[in-house]
Amino acid sequence: GENVEQHPSTLSVQEGDSAVIKCTYSDSASNYFPWYKQELGKGPQLIIDIRSNVGEKKDQRIAVTLNKTAKHFSLHITETQPEDSAVYFCAAFYYGQNFVFGPGTRLSVLP
Amino acid sequence: GAGVSQSPRYKVTKRGQDVALRCDPISGHVSLYWYRQALGQGPEFLTYFNYEAQQDKSGLPNDRFSAERPEGSISTLTIQRTEQRDSAMYRCASSTQGHANTGELFFGEGSRLTVL
Repeated sequence: GENVEQHPSTLSVQEGDSAVIKCTYSDSASNYFPWYKQELGKGPQLIIDIRSNVGEKKDQRIAVTLNKTAKHFSLHITETQPEDSAVYFCAAFYYGQNFVFGPGTRLSVLP
Repeated sequence: GAGVSQSPRYKVTKRGQDVALRCDPISGHVSLYWYRQALGQGPEFLTYFNYEAQQDKSGLPNDRFSAERPEGSISTLTIQRTEQRDSAMYRCASSTQGHANTGELFFGEGSRLTVL
């Protein structure tokens, strides 16, 4: 089955700096890669996703890149703000395989 | 509200008791998923439904765990003869699309189960 690894497990950045979180997956059949943000006491919420037919997708301050050959994808957050502090989860999916989530990255944006 | 609703939010039970966790998905959502999330970990898949049909239950840890969605809307996850290792946050998620198409998962706030 699919296995998703995520690094780093914790990340601290200064406000205004960029943050990058990386994930690798094992099953080359995976073709959908969402990123979820989980704030304290709440359920995960989708912030951006990418499908295997594109290499990069951007939405304001967040972007995701995908390298299918290397089987890894990354979340990039620019101009970080205190409200970006949360736990971020990546996931991999293809039809016939359920969403497999990474272990999460706790991001702290320091003022 | 319009989101995924789970109840109870907190459940404390004694070892050996049965518990039932309820999920009320967003109206009209076809797919419903159950996940278990240990502290500091990502959601771990348990089972999922398309309408009332349980499509995959491969993530259920053992036969003490079962789930149903009899009318294709509300779902119940039941854990029989609870053990301390069952203590975790149980999260429900629903999606507007069937499993054949990827789509955003909308998560509930979870039911935190503590088995003493």
